[in-house]
Formats: sequence, C-alpha cells, structure tokens
Amino acid sequence: SQQGEEDPQALSIQEGENATMNCSYKTSINNLQWYRQNSGRGLVHLILIRSNEREKHSGRLRVTLDTSKKSSSLLITASRAADTASYFCATWGSNYQLIWGAGTKLIIKP
Amino acid sequence: DVKVTQSSRYLVKRTGEKVFLECVQDMDHENMFWYRQDPGLGLRLIYFSYDVKMKEKGDIPEGYSVSREKKERFSLILESASTNQTSMYLCASTPSQGRGSYTFGSGTRLTVV
Repeated sequence: SQQGEEDPQALSIQEGENATMNCSYKTSINNLQWYRQNSGRGLVHLILIRSNEREKHSGRLRVTLDTSKKSSSLLITASRAADTASYFCATWGSNYQLIWGAGTKLIIKP
Repeated sequence: DVKVTQSSRYLVKRTGEKVFLECVQDMDHENMFWYRQDPGLGLRLIYFSYDVKMKEKGDIPEGYSVSREKKERFSLILESASTNQTSMYLCASTPSQGRGSYTFGSGTRLTVV
C-alpha cells in the first residue's frame, strides 16, 4: 500500500539548476525518509527527518517537513548529471513497515 | 557500512521453473523484506520477516514463498515461475529497534520466458 505521493512524477532540468520534489502523506508520522534509486539499482537512503523537525540539510540536499499539511519537500541544489535518478519518500506505517510513494523521476540535462 | 547482498543482478528463467532469490545482510538486522518493483506500480511488498523462521505476508504474496533459516539470509522462492513474475526484485533490511532507514540490496532483474 502507498501512503506517500510524490509530485511531480517526472522532472527534467538543466545541470546546475535546483530540483524540488514534493511528497504528501495521509496519516501521522514518526519520521519521513527520502531515498534515491539509480536506474536498475536498489534504493539508497538519503535523509531522515523526524516529525518534530521542520528542516534538515545534508550536503546539497535540503528536506522540509510540514506536519500540518502532511507534506515534505526535497531540494537538490546545484544539480549534477549524477543526480539523475528516481527519488522516493517513505513513512513508517502502523505495522512497523515503511510505506512508499510512487517516486519522482529526475533527469538532469547536461 | 551495512551491506545487503543479492546473489544475482540478472536472472533468466523458464516458465514453470522453481526460482530462488537469495539475500544476505551482514549487520545482524532482525527485519528483512522482499519487494518487487514494476513500472507504474511502485514498490510492492511480497513478504517480510521479523526474526529467524518467522515470516509475514505482504501485499502480494501469491505465487511466492520465503525462507529464513538464519538471521542473515532471507530467500524468496518462486514455486513455479510465470511470465507475470518478470520484474525487479529488491531485498531490504532494518534493525528492529526504532524506526530507522532500510538498507537495500542492488536488486535482481528477473525475466521469466
């Protein structure tokens, strides 16, 4: 089952530009996580933001969380070709499993 | 670093064959998961396990079974492979404590012909 919904489904930008992806979820959360998946590979954990946090940074990544709107955004600054991937948000469900969004496919054009 | 290893990156099997997909993790994680991923359908949970010899059905267990005889190894079994089981299969693990992140294997692209 899916709780998170990413928006947009696909995003194509020029190298060097910033990329913003959004995630909405339905129920209350303990934390929200973002993952990256390069084509044909497994998912890699990027960043976790707890429900009592509003913003978190990791290198060129910035994640915000608005629990009143049940939404999160992932900003990648100064994008690079290597950032081309699919990005997923995930939240913990009531049965102690991560529930996944459908993902945003990001393409960085050289 | 936690490592989750899936035995094969690519696999081609014939319809009706019994297929074993192996997943091994090296950080003593209690929880292990098998997903399949298809275009437009996202990640779908097949089976998961909270401990040795324990297994729970996920959202799409039909046509699959699992085995967890040792803590580090979680095997997915396709009893009689069918073409609609052609997919990317992903294994993941996480500790039982807290609600942290999953560590994924590199995936197995299975084609059933």
